Amino acid sequence: GENVEQHPSTLSVQEGDSAVIKCTYSDSASNYFPWYKQELGKRPQLIIDIRSNVGEKKDQRIAVTLNKTAKHFSLHITETQPEDSAVYFCAASLSGNTGKLIFGQGTTLQVKP
Amino acid sequence: DAGVIQSPRHEVTEMGQEVTLRCKPISGHDYLFWYRQTMMRGLELLIYFNNNVPIDDSGMPEDRFSAKMPNASFSTLKIQPSEPRDSAVYFCASSYLPSNYGYTFGSGTRLTVV
Repeated sequence: GENVEQHPSTLSVQEGDSAVIKCTYSDSASNYFPWYKQELGKRPQLIIDIRSNVGEKKDQRIAVTLNKTAKHFSLHITETQPEDSAVYFCAASLSGNTGKLIFGQGTTLQVKP
Repeated sequence: DAGVIQSPRHEVTEMGQEVTLRCKPISGHDYLFWYRQTMMRGLELLIYFNNNVPIDDSGMPEDRFSAKMPNASFSTLKIQPSEPRDSAVYFCASSYLPSNYGYTFGSGTRLTVV
C-alpha cells in the first residue's frame, strides 16, 4: 500500500541551530503535504503545509520544500528554540480525492538550551 | 468554533468492559477520522467517514472495534470487550476536503485498560 517514510526518528540540536526532517512518499499522485507538531500530552497541530504546485513555502522560522520528481519533502526549522521540542509528523494525501492522509512515523526533536 | 471535541479525556476501565469514545467534529466538515496512537505503532488510522458514511475501516484491529456516525455532528468508537492491549490515545479528526486536507485533531481520549 501507499506509505510515507520519515527520517530521522529522533533529532537533538543545540538551541539556535537548524533542524531538518525528511519524508519520502510512494503515491506519485499525492498533491498535499502537511506537517504536524505534537507536544507532549497534546494533540497534533498543523504547522505548515505545501501543495504540489509549489516547491517551497516559508512561515517565519519554518519552511517546507517539495521535490515531486524525487517524491520527497522536508521540514526546515531555523534558529531552534526549546519550545520547538516536540514530535513532528509529515503526511501526504492519497490520490483520488479520498480525503485521506498517510502519516509518517514521527520525529522526536529535542532542542537543548 | 470550539474545534473537534472528544470525550472523555481519560478513561480507565477493566478488561472485558465496554468502552465508548465520543467525537463532535467541526461544523461543516465532511470527513471524520478515528486514529489510535501508541509509542510502538505511531498514528494508526482506524476508520474514516465521509458525509456520515464509513469509507474505509480496514484499520479497525478486529471485530471488538466498531464505529458509527449517526449524523454530521457526532461519532462514536466502541470497544467491546476491551483488552489491555487496547490502551492508547484515541484521536478523532475532521476536515473539509474542498478547502484543504488539513485535519483538525481533537484533544484525544487516553484509554487505559487494566
